[in-house]
Amino acid sequence: SQQGEEDPQALSIQEGENATMNCSYKTSINNLQWYRQNSGRGLVHLILIRSNEREKHSGRLRVTLDTSKKSSSLLITASRAADTASYFCATDAWENEKLTFGTGTRLTIIP
Amino acid sequence: DSGVTQTPKHLITATGQRVTLRCSPRSGDLSVYWYQQSLDQGLQFLIQYYNGEERAKGNILERFSAQQFPDLHSELNLSSLELGDSALYFCASSNTGAFYEQYFGPGTRLTVT
Repeated sequence: SQQGEEDPQALSIQEGENATMNCSYKTSINNLQWYRQNSGRGLVHLILIRSNEREKHSGRLRVTLDTSKKSSSLLITASRAADTASYFCATDAWENEKLTFGTGTRLTIIP
Repeated sequence: DSGVTQTPKHLITATGQRVTLRCSPRSGDLSVYWYQQSLDQGLQFLIQYYNGEERAKGNILERFSAQQFPDLHSELNLSSLELGDSALYFCASSNTGAFYEQYFGPGTRLTVT
């Protein structure tokens, strides 16, 4: 079963707008990561945030983590057509050493 | 290009058959992870090998097995295939045994008819 649920399931925005995706998980975690997957292809690691961190930036990406709410958000600023993909959060935990993926958000950027 | 290679890209086979999927990790990476991605189950971790030894096990069926060879490439063997085994199978690698910053291969699409 999936550890994380992502919200929304699908998101369509105009190029240049910001996109926000949310991830909720069920148990305590060690790290939370975000991955991107272009249609039918492999996943690309975007960013990792540790459980003791609250916010992290990488280029146009901003990730926040709220461990009290067991949730994370991924913000992509100034979106581009090339950002069209599915985005997954993935968590790992001390007591369960495996990576558990969320259900994913399908993001479509409209040129 | 992640540096992880998987063969074959596509595989079509019949129920009851056995197939072998192959993965070559990035140069220098000791860990290999296998995942299954299907429409109904999403992305599921199957198994991890680190430097030839099994390190962690996920939702891997007994009909499935894997191994990592001395040259660090890995094979996933799927036997007694069922229609529900149709999925994308990904291999990922990392240079640590930990579950972060994995580099994913392009996947093998398995279709069981």
